[in-house]
Amino acid sequence: NAGVTQTPKFQVLKTGQSMTLQCAQDMNHNSMYWYRQDPGMGLRLIYYSASEGTTDKGEVPNGYNVSRLNKREFSLRLESAAPSQTSVYFCASSARDRPPLHFGNGTRLTVT
Amino acid sequence: DQQVKQNSPSLSVQEGRISILNCDYTNSMFDYFLWYKKYPAEGPTFLISISSIKDKNEDGRFTVFLNKSAKHLSLHIVPSQPGDSAVYFCAADSNTGGFKTIFGAGTRLFVKA
Repeated sequence: NAGVTQTPKFQVLKTGQSMTLQCAQDMNHNSMYWYRQDPGMGLRLIYYSASEGTTDKGEVPNGYNVSRLNKREFSLRLESAAPSQTSVYFCASSARDRPPLHFGNGTRLTVT
Repeated sequence: DQQVKQNSPSLSVQEGRISILNCDYTNSMFDYFLWYKKYPAEGPTFLISISSIKDKNEDGRFTVFLNKSAKHLSLHIVPSQPGDSAVYFCAADSNTGGFKTIFGAGTRLFVKA
């Protein structure tokens, strides 16, 4: 049982480059989330999707876009990466209207 | 303004003893609280939760206590084991949707053998 799978695990980008972080869950969960974790701070919500076909902004959405491709997959896109987006990104899922319970192992992104 | 605060960045405990991790919150609308454990290079793992209608919830070696008047909760681990060494995040929710979950900055627990 894979749970929540994130790819890639590591990525280095130059300022201005774009990339998409992929996330998939196999638990038939309705809700999916993207968080970032920075040193000395808790996880901060970037975007969430309460169900297939819906997405909404979280606490720190600027510079990011998301796509809920289907019930399983929720991707996060950086259109023009900035050094301030250097962080560890976590995808999570849960049943509808529940706090995030299952997390992927993260993507460590460095923007130079 | 941090709505969920974990004021101790780290805590060191001897194996077999009790570990007590603390968390304070400021928003009185929070009515559901969670603890997560995180090992290096892994995602957070849900550990235990408590609703505001309770003041205690127990699951094996882990107990969470909630003091609503003080806006304070704590996680007790008894007895502590070396495998408990990890970062522990406190989180709070208004129970109206997971997207409102607010996380603390985490406390790193070291359990010495």
